[in-house]
Amino acid sequence: TQLLEQSPQFLSIQEGENLTVYCNSSSVFSSLQWYRQEPGEGPVLLVTVVTGGEVKKLKRLTFQFGDARKDSSLHITAAQPGDTGLYLCAGVEVTGFQKLVFGTGTRLLVSP
Amino acid sequence: DAGITQSPRHKVTETGTPVTLRCHQTENHRYMYWYRQDPGHGLRLIHYSYGVKDTDKGEVSDGYSVSRSKTEDFLLTLESATSSQTSVYFCAIRPSGSGYEQYFGPGTRLTVT
Repeated sequence: TQLLEQSPQFLSIQEGENLTVYCNSSSVFSSLQWYRQEPGEGPVLLVTVVTGGEVKKLKRLTFQFGDARKDSSLHITAAQPGDTGLYLCAGVEVTGFQKLVFGTGTRLLVSP
Repeated sequence: DAGITQSPRHKVTETGTPVTLRCHQTENHRYMYWYRQDPGHGLRLIHYSYGVKDTDKGEVSDGYSVSRSKTEDFLLTLESATSSQTSVYFCAIRPSGSGYEQYFGPGTRLTVT
C-alpha cells in the first residue's frame, strides 16, 4: 500500500505569516492533487500537478511537484483567516485503476 | 457543485445493526467511490465502482459491502455495525476524461454505540 505522509499535522499561525506544508512518499505517483476541507463539508479540489518539477500558483498558494514525482509542497504567502482548514494531498496511483492515495492531512488555523 | 448528495447526513446506530448509506449523483458519472475519514488517517478508500454492477474493494473494505444497480446511486452497507466503524463517510465521483480529480459529497457522520 502506498503511503503519503504530510507535515506538519497541525499549524497555528497569525494572519500575514507564510507557511509550507509537505507531502512525502517513497512511491511514485502519476500526478498529485491538493484538496482543502472545511468542517462539516467534503474536500474540495484546489489543484492538480502532473509533471515532475511542476509549479502551479493559485493566488497566494504555490504548489510544487517533486522532480521524482514522490513528493509535493504547498506554500501559502501572507496567510489569511479564510485559509483555515484541513489540507489534504492525494497521489494518483501509477497502475491499476489510478486510485487516489490520500495524505494524513494538515490542519491549518490562521488567527486574525 | 458536482451534484452529489449523501443520505442520511447523520446517523446513530447500535452495534450489530445493519446500516445503509446512500450516495446519489445527477450527472451520470461512471466512477464512484466510498471513503471513510478518521483523525490521523486522511481519507481511506472502502470500495469503488466503475459502472453499473461493477465494483471493487479498496484498502479498508472488511465489514462493508456496496451495490450499484443504477448509474446514479452507489450504496454502502455495513452488514453488522461495529464501534470501529464510527466515522465520517464520503462519497466521491470522478468525471471521465478528467485528470483523475474527484468531487466529494457532503459526508455522512455515523456513530455506532
